[in-house]
Amino acid sequence: GQSLEQPSEVTAVEGAIVQINCTYQTSGFYGLSWYQQHDGGAPTFLSYNALDGLEETGRFSSFLSRSDSYGYLLLQELQMKDSASYFCAGEGRALTFGSGTRLQVQP
Amino acid sequence: SQTIHQWPATLVQPVGSPLSLECTVEGTSNPNLYWYRQAAGRGLQLLFYSVGIGQISSEVPQNLSASRPQDRQFILSSKKLLLSDSGFYLCAWSIQGSYEQYFGPGTRLTVT
Repeated sequence: GQSLEQPSEVTAVEGAIVQINCTYQTSGFYGLSWYQQHDGGAPTFLSYNALDGLEETGRFSSFLSRSDSYGYLLLQELQMKDSASYFCAGEGRALTFGSGTRLQVQP
Repeated sequence: SQTIHQWPATLVQPVGSPLSLECTVEGTSNPNLYWYRQAAGRGLQLLFYSVGIGQISSEVPQNLSASRPQDRQFILSSKKLLLSDSGFYLCAWSIQGSYEQYFGPGTRLTVT
């Protein structure tokens, strides 16, 4: 099975950079995904890391280190609309989600 | 383009009543299909997934069941709801062999 841990809440100001960490314990791990979910909405896919290293998609980047069982999501130039919950998810036989990090962006 | 539909959007049911939630996907063939449940302020718990018609894998033993009667239709059912079944139920699909999942709008179920 898999278990993923991430901080429950993070607060940052508009224009700043924030990093959301995710550590995992898993067997049969293929890769790490990140999803964004606004209150009351459905999760939407942000990024995926199958290999170690950094993946960049616009203002969002994601990093994976298999040797450390660790990954993070980096959000740059924060905007108010980035206030949401962010979930890491481990891909194995099926997708296992972490409990989510609630990001609050303040003006 | 592909779209995923779920209904109803909200549902209030008494304890002990049956449940049927439906999910359909358009614009793709032979998708992987998933049912998740999310408790308030929590992460997503995978309930069932299916790689084809009639093929259902259960991740969490409980009083829920799932069926896939057609390629792009996924149904979540219960014969008798419990209070603990309350939550936000999300259906998702993915292309076979792909990591990215696409979620439906969800059904908010309240069991009273």
